[in-house]
Amino acid sequence: EVQLVESGGGLVQPGGSLRLSCAASGFTFSSYEMNWVRQAPGKGLEWVSYISSSGSTIYYADSVKGRFTISRDNAKNSLYLQMNSLRAEDTAVYYCAREVAAAGIDYWGQGTLVTVSS
Amino acid sequence: VIWMTQSPSLLSASTGDRVIISCRMSQGISSYLAWYQQKPGKAPELLIYAASTLQSGVPSRFSGSGSGTDFTLTISCLQSEDFATYYCQQYYSFPQTFGQGTKVEIK
Repeated sequence: EVQLVESGGGLVQPGGSLRLSCAASGFTFSSYEMNWVRQAPGKGLEWVSYISSSGSTIYYADSVKGRFTISRDNAKNSLYLQMNSLRAEDTAVYYCAREVAAAGIDYWGQGTLVTVSS
Repeated sequence: VIWMTQSPSLLSASTGDRVIISCRMSQGISSYLAWYQQKPGKAPELLIYAASTLQSGVPSRFSGSGSGTDFTLTISCLQSEDFATYYCQQYYSFPQTFGQGTKVEIK
């Protein structure tokens, strides 16, 4: 069974940092592209970042470029999102999501809540 | 950036109704479009990918159509478990983008 389990969310002050982790199991992690997608309270879905299966290709949304860094450790079946210079508008549930080439996101984690507030 | 217009934002319907949700792109994306269902407090679930391919395990009352710039999600006979919010997503180019969402509520 495919499982994606996020951790690392919490309350942080504006300007602070957090590192999110996503532990993957039930599939060959190193074969899949991965994404982070977020959802602000009561709002819609917003794509945040993408990383290819090898980690060699990375993309970011303009809203997080220069502040967030996506990475992965295929030996540990883990995906990460380092978030720096956090702003109130980064407050959201952050989902780890598996992508299948030409087929969209087929599995999502349960999400981890990040709250940026003083 | 590819902009998406999803409509309607709110749809009131009854069980047994046929409902149609639309998604229009600012430029052509071939068939690189997915539809997701999200229920309160839960992660989204994939319904349709490649514009019209039903994800495994999804009931056949869900269908998708379109290519290029105009796409639709149809629920042929609305069931009680279908009351939820639906999102379209283009994965043709980065940044990937989602529609604004359509909440399907009980009439």
